[in-house]
Amino acid sequence: GAVVSQHPSWVICKSGTSVKIECRSLDFQATTMFWYRQFPKQSLMLMATSNEGSKATYEQGVEKDKFLINHASLTLSTLTVTSAHPEDSSFYICSAQIREERTGELFFGEGSRLTVL
Amino acid sequence: GQQLNQSPQSMFIQEGEDVSMNCTSSSIFNTWLWYKQEPGEGPVLLIALYKAGELTSNGRLTAQFGITRKDSFLNISASIPSDVGIYFCAGQRNQGGKLIFGQGTELSVKP
Repeated sequence: GAVVSQHPSWVICKSGTSVKIECRSLDFQATTMFWYRQFPKQSLMLMATSNEGSKATYEQGVEKDKFLINHASLTLSTLTVTSAHPEDSSFYICSAQIREERTGELFFGEGSRLTVL
Repeated sequence: GQQLNQSPQSMFIQEGEDVSMNCTSSSIFNTWLWYKQEPGEGPVLLIALYKAGELTSNGRLTAQFGITRKDSFLNISASIPSDVGIYFCAGQRNQGGKLIFGQGTELSVKP
């Protein structure tokens, strides 16, 4: 089946640095990918929709200058957390649609746990 | 952001027992989905429902799309230890619309 892979699976960084997380669709092309954020024991909150070849669409309350999304190819979307602070520590998960006509059926990546010291 | 009301929040059951969890909403959804998330992993799709009243099974899992389009339930029969995880419902108003997730039901199964 289709696989979505994220890298790195975990990262620890100092406050003020920037961190890039990659999301790849391994055996299919994904024109649209989604980035979610999840705090411990909580649900998934959509941050932004990443569209290949165009600007990402951010959800209300998500700072686009803070969370930079680049969907440069049909198999790769990246999320860069700029000038990270401890409150940015979270589990970030990307996903891609399995079939164009079934937009709710998503393949999720393994997630990337970010810890900002 | 808006969330679905999912219950129960957590369940502690004995292996072999059946499990039931549900999601409700004050508004209509045209697609209901159920995902399972294990610790440190991303969610995995279990069942997708597209028609009101639809009852769909996936092995020991059965899910139904409520007639009113405002609710859905998931049943797990004869639970086993590997059923442990967090189960999320998700609703979608229209194709192409974003998914709205429930708060999750954390399932623990005692051997």
